[in-house]
Parts: sequence; structure tokens; C-alpha cells
Amino acid sequence: DGGITQSPKYLFRKEGQNVTLSCEQNLNHDAMYWYRQDPGQGLRLIYYSQIVNDFQKGDIAEGYSVSREKKESFPLTVTSAQKNPTAFYLCASIDGTYNSPLHFGNGTRLTVT
Amino acid sequence: GENVEQHPSTLSVQEGDSAVIKCTYSDSASNYFPWYKQELGKRPQLIIDIRSNVGEKKDQRIAVTLNKTAKHFSLHITETQPEDSAVYFCAASTSSGGYQKVTFGTGTKLQVIP
Repeated sequence: DGGITQSPKYLFRKEGQNVTLSCEQNLNHDAMYWYRQDPGQGLRLIYYSQIVNDFQKGDIAEGYSVSREKKESFPLTVTSAQKNPTAFYLCASIDGTYNSPLHFGNGTRLTVT
Repeated sequence: GENVEQHPSTLSVQEGDSAVIKCTYSDSASNYFPWYKQELGKRPQLIIDIRSNVGEKKDQRIAVTLNKTAKHFSLHITETQPEDSAVYFCAASTSSGGYQKVTFGTGTKLQVIP
């Protein structure tokens, strides 16, 4: 059954620690995305990647980093430089077709205290 | 970059009535406009989309209209049912340099009252 797997579902960290969120897809999609969701602010784009070893900053990339070493994997690291890291993080992918919809994972809820 | 505004932020309707959600976008290069429904604690799921060469699209009780000149698009839900209660997001997609960048509105929380 194809899809996008995000793990873990809930993640708790202490302030000042870096944390990496996992995103794996078996849809053979080229493009992958990370969004952050906060109440009342919709989904905001953090980073996106079209191909292996290439990625672009989104609208709120500060304090985050990504890698794309494999087509199926796009991990997101929330660094200690991110001032407000507590949020719901959604990973998504798009196949190579022009103007295609995003397919989302189930999300990771990160709480930093 | 693209900016998408969405109104209203909350909407309550009686079961059986219609609901309309409106969005505007700023980048005239945007050419694909999907709508997503997100139930509490779940992932957003595509419910309908429209491309810039089309003015209207309908799928059963859901329809979307697009006015490229005015840079606005709307979601219409007719004969609303309690299971339509959710948060709805509009989005605008721009393709450039091989990348497809998708920008979302801030969401509309729809409540259908039985």
C-alpha cells in the first residue's frame, strides 16, 4: 500500500536540542515538501526538493535544515535556532506530473519545552 | 512570492444549506488551485482542484470557480451534511525552474449544524 510515512507521531524535546523528523515515501514521487501547521496560520512551506541532492528554501526555512540523499527520504531537522519549534509538521510529495496535488503524511506533532 | 488570502476563517451553516469559501492570490503565474479538507488530527486530503485554463469544475456537491483576471477562486458546497464539518484550505501552485511551489491559505473552519 503506497504512501508517506512520518515518524514518530508525537515527539517531545527539551529546548536547545536539535531534533530530526522522518519522512519516507514509497510512491516513487520526485518532489517532496515540508510544511508547518500552527492554529489559525494554515500550512507554511519550510523546504521542498525536486530531486536527490537538491532542495529549495520555502517561506519559513530559518532554523530548519533538510537533506535529500535518497529519492524516498526527506528528513527535516529542527535546530535549536528555531525560536518557536512547537507545531504540527506535515511532509508531502508530488509525482512528476505537471500541476499535481500534494499527498500528505499523517504528520508529527513536536512539542519543545 | 505568492500570497493566498482565505475568507472566512470560520463558517457555520445549517445542514442542507450551502457554504462558500473564497480565496485570492497575488502571483499571476499561479496556474493550479487545489482545495484540501482536514479533519481534526488528520492529514489534509484533496477534495477538488482546478487548473488555470478552466473557469469552473464540479464534483457532486462540491464546485470550484476561478476568475484569473481578478485572481480569486471559490469553493461551493451544496446540501451540506454534518460530515462536511472540517477545516478547508485553498492553495495556489506556481511552477518555476522545474519546481512546483504550493502556497496555502490560512484555512476555514466549517461547522455544519444538524
